[in-house]
Amino acid sequence: SQKIEQNSEALNIQEGKTATLTCNYTNYSPAYLQWYRQDPGRGPVFLLLIRENEKEKRKERLKVTFDTTLKQSLFHITASQPADSATYLCALYSGTYKYIFGTGTRLKVLA
Amino acid sequence: DTEVTQTPKHLVMGMTNKKSLKCEQHMGHRAMYWYKQKAKKPPELMFVYSYEKLSINESVPSRFSPECPNSSLLNLHLHALQPEDSALYLCASSQPGQSDSYEQYFGPGTRLTVT
Repeated sequence: SQKIEQNSEALNIQEGKTATLTCNYTNYSPAYLQWYRQDPGRGPVFLLLIRENEKEKRKERLKVTFDTTLKQSLFHITASQPADSATYLCALYSGTYKYIFGTGTRLKVLA
Repeated sequence: DTEVTQTPKHLVMGMTNKKSLKCEQHMGHRAMYWYKQKAKKPPELMFVYSYEKLSINESVPSRFSPECPNSSLLNLHLHALQPEDSALYLCASSQPGQSDSYEQYFGPGTRLTVT
């Protein structure tokens, strides 16, 4: 079965730095990979979607890369701010309405 | 309106109670989901309805019973739950079939405590 791992359970960085989060998966390569943000006690919020034939996607301070050879996606937040502190989840669309979520990384941006 | 609403926000129930969770969306999405999320864990898929028909049941115990009365509403009926069923229950919707719209929109969740 598909297994998705995010590099670290928690990541602390200084304000203004770039945060880099990793999502690794095994087995088949998904057609789409997504990143979500989740604040405590709230539902996840969609951030970015990247297709298997796209190397990179950007949205404002966010950048996602997708390496189907390495079976890895990187999620970058540039010029990070304390308001970016949250849990970030990657998710793979495995077809037939099924989404498999990664273990999540809790990001804390220190002022 | 890009909002998914869920009621109630919090629910405390005994193991012999019967209760229901409700979810509503008005984005015209034709797929709706129930997820269960324990603390510090990712959301786990429970059920998926597509065009008001149950498409996926991830081997969920029968004490959880989903219902999709129409394309905007999704219910989760609860009966004889166990304390380990305490979790955040999330509803989501998506519009499959459109090239760029596989993302899911999540509601705020219902925090369920079983005593």
